[in-house]
Amino acid sequence: LAKTTQPISMDSYEGQEVNITCSHNNIATNDYITWYQQFPSQGPRFIIQGYKTKVTNEVASLFIPADRKSSTLSLPRVSLSDTAVYYCLVGDGKAAGNKLTFGGGTRVLVKP
Amino acid sequence: NAGVTQTPKFQVLKTGQSMTLQCAQDMNHEYMSWYRQDPGMGLRLIHYSVGAGITDQGEVPNGYNVSRSTTEDFPLRLLSAAPSQTSVYFCASRPPRGGRTEAFFGQGTRLTVV
Repeated sequence: LAKTTQPISMDSYEGQEVNITCSHNNIATNDYITWYQQFPSQGPRFIIQGYKTKVTNEVASLFIPADRKSSTLSLPRVSLSDTAVYYCLVGDGKAAGNKLTFGGGTRVLVKP
Repeated sequence: NAGVTQTPKFQVLKTGQSMTLQCAQDMNHEYMSWYRQDPGMGLRLIHYSVGAGITDQGEVPNGYNVSRSTTEDFPLRLLSAAPSQTSVYFCASRPPRGGRTEAFFGQGTRLTVV
């Protein structure tokens, strides 16, 4: 499974865009990149997933360069409720059973 | 739609006691797994299952047993609780469609071993 590296923490202010970059130099051809969000005392929640280029949904955008060795989660116009830990995961779940491997995540604090 | 349900939400055990954490999902997912999360840390995989009757070990399996007799249920058993097992436990499920699927997590069981 590809190892991921992401910043430990980031601070932002309400209304700003938050970009979290995840490095995954050993990503394999079949691997997808998935981001989860976790609020205190709750289980992680799926945010977005992609394989290459750009993916956008109602919550976030995911940018993946051509070499796929990194990816950037973009949260537009954050609010206080976006304060959470964000995890970047890389893997091919089918080949590895259900071995979703979580790193330490990025703790995002949104200030008023 | 209940999703993934974990019981109990909170539990205090004495060292050496045994107990079972329950996990049930109603989405007919084949993949289920158990994680533990220590304070300020990420999730670590304990055991996982790719279908009824099939289980395997994750990163930190020692001190835990699992079984998967039905698609819906995936209980986690602590054989002889130790203070090092104080943690929050999360159960997750997802369908087996490769990497292009999202996992659904329960709300967690907060376990304290004294």
